[in-house]
Amino acid sequence: NAGVTQTPKFQVLKTGQSMTLQCAQDMNHNSMYWYRQDPGMGLRLIYYSASEGTTDKGEVPNGYNVSRLNKREFSLRLESAAPSQTSVYFCASSPRTGADTQYFGPGTRLTVL
Amino acid sequence: EDKVVQSPLSLVVHEGDTVTLNCSYEVTNFRSLLWYKQEKKAPTFLFMLTSSGIEKKSGRLSSILDKKELFSILNITATQTGDSAIYLCAVDGPSGTYKYIFGTGTRLKVLA
Repeated sequence: NAGVTQTPKFQVLKTGQSMTLQCAQDMNHNSMYWYRQDPGMGLRLIYYSASEGTTDKGEVPNGYNVSRLNKREFSLRLESAAPSQTSVYFCASSPRTGADTQYFGPGTRLTVL
Repeated sequence: EDKVVQSPLSLVVHEGDTVTLNCSYEVTNFRSLLWYKQEKKAPTFLFMLTSSGIEKKSGRLSSILDKKELFSILNITATQTGDSAIYLCAVDGPSGTYKYIFGTGTRLKVLA
């Protein structure tokens, strides 16, 4: 049982490049989330998916897009990376929507030069 | 605006000390408050609190929620170096949005 997995673990991009962060969970959870974590800012929600087929904006969605490919997978895309998107990105999932524990992936450390 | 504030921002103690971490919140339609421990990588779940006054315990860690005063505390007794981590508080936000709002965390360092 792998839980929540993320790829890649590390990535360096140049300004303007695009990339997709992948996330998958094998716990049959309905809800999935993407967060970014910056020093002194805590975890901030980028996008979430309450259930398969739905996605909604979180606190800081600008510059990102997401796809809930199926129940297991939730990807985050940066179309044109900017230095302000340098951060650690965490994917999480929870069994139900709301009032439930979230399980986090190991994170992706992204640097945009 | 919904927000979660944790204090102190950082704390250094010696092994054996007892620490109390604070989390206050202003969230519409509160449903639950969660505590996480974050060491080097992903946050790991500690507690979920939904009712006032009911203490949750796990070993040397305990937590309680006060929904009237809008805060929670996390206590760690007889601290060990392995307790060194960032402790995060999150609140389940407005009903129907499924958003969790996180505080900035308290960085705890336990010295041997």
